[in-house]
Amino acid sequence: QVQLQESGPGLVKPSQTLSLTCTVSGDSISSSNYYWTWIRQPAGGGLEYIGRVHTSGTTNYNPSLNSRVTISADTSKNQFSLKLRSVTAADTAVYYCARGWRYCSGGSCYTPYFDYWGPGILVTVSS
Amino acid sequence: SYVLTQPPSVSVAPGETAMITCGGNNIGSISVQWYQQKPGQAPVLVIYYDSDRPSGIPERFSGSKSGNTATLTISRVEAGDEADYYCQVWDGISDHPVFGTGTEVTVL
Repeated sequence: QVQLQESGPGLVKPSQTLSLTCTVSGDSISSSNYYWTWIRQPAGGGLEYIGRVHTSGTTNYNPSLNSRVTISADTSKNQFSLKLRSVTAADTAVYYCARGWRYCSGGSCYTPYFDYWGPGILVTVSS
Repeated sequence: SYVLTQPPSVSVAPGETAMITCGGNNIGSISVQWYQQKPGQAPVLVIYYDSDRPSGIPERFSGSKSGNTATLTISRVEAGDEADYYCQVWDGISDHPVFGTGTEVTVL
């Protein structure tokens, strides 16, 4: 049974860096079959892709957040992490980590779907 | 960027059929996924690759596409199906996934 669990501070001050970790059990993030992904959802709002990391170290970020985001993986701990810099109140949301299936065709790879999600963690940006 | 449009809400009586639409340009040529999200919970994948069901998802959930519209159909609706439903595709132009606006399903 694959399980993901987000952890980190629930409150971050404006202009600081939001840092979250996702711990994976029941699967290895070293598997080449998946992308390990962060997705967020503001209160009452829809789902927004933040970015992903592959065991090879390659990353992909939402262009709207690209300049502020870093996602990395620690295979020794079977964890992957999110750092979002210079946060504002607009970054207040529930943050989910998820496992994305990796599909490759014609020399490019992408995630068609997300099959396992963590329960989510609410992060509030406020002074 | 790619936009997926869903109706904000759908209401259905128990035992009836709910149909949730997802509109997008040229959606017929890309795979569509559907997620169910109950209040306070993470999304759950209910349909992938347009019409495939993950293990554990009831056969009452089915997916289809026609023209520029994908549809999630829930047959014999139960009270436990009350949730928000999101469609999702991979946008090859921007190289990231896009989620629909979400549809709240209310069981009367």
